[in-house]
Amino acid sequence: DTTVKQNPRYKLARVGKPVNLICSQTMNHDTMYWYQKKPNQAPKLLLFYYDKILNREADTFEKFQSSRPNNSFCSLYIGSAGLEYSAMYLCASSRGRANTEVFFGKGTRLTVV
Amino acid sequence: AQSVTQPDARVTVSEGASLQLRCKYSYSATPYLFWYVQYPRQGLQLLLKYYSGDPVVQGVNGFEAEFSKSNSSFHLRKASVHWSDSAVYFCAVSYSAGNKLTFGIGTRVLVRP
Repeated sequence: DTTVKQNPRYKLARVGKPVNLICSQTMNHDTMYWYQKKPNQAPKLLLFYYDKILNREADTFEKFQSSRPNNSFCSLYIGSAGLEYSAMYLCASSRGRANTEVFFGKGTRLTVV
Repeated sequence: AQSVTQPDARVTVSEGASLQLRCKYSYSATPYLFWYVQYPRQGLQLLLKYYSGDPVVQGVNGFEAEFSKSNSSFHLRKASVHWSDSAVYFCAVSYSAGNKLTFGIGTRVLVRP
């Protein structure tokens, strides 16, 4: 099974409220990623976990948190949602950090109102 | 910073016709190059990748891509498209043998029956 699962597929959030998105994979991949995709924009890497080590991109460092309680699960946490967080969030995973195929989930569409 | 340009936002072709999708990257060194496809309501799937060697690489479903170092390009081609090829195609690059992907904005392909 090469599936990366994301829950929920659609999420509605209020401005100022927290948001938690969940991702799981059963491929025993040690690296998991979160990307943000807005309409007419390229998917943008937010952060990734290599094993238990979190790496956040410099320009999104303070906007997103993440946790990885075990190898299979990874969450993306927004402490206080703003309208600008409305986007598709893509979770992905790979075995290792280099030269290996990256598998993507179907995404969670977050709408902040 | 590295970037990926896909100049065509939308392409419409007739079934059986050939298809070429353009991709240019900007970076001083040769990156690792990828094409991903996203079918409706599905996650991104890897079509093909280029690391080194023969500049023409074969992918799944009859797709191929050609790397040109002189043009900083990695164009995708298919000789004869099928209606099921209707999807969004993303070009992506990574550097330093890493899996951190920088994407283009994608090209939406519509194949008319």
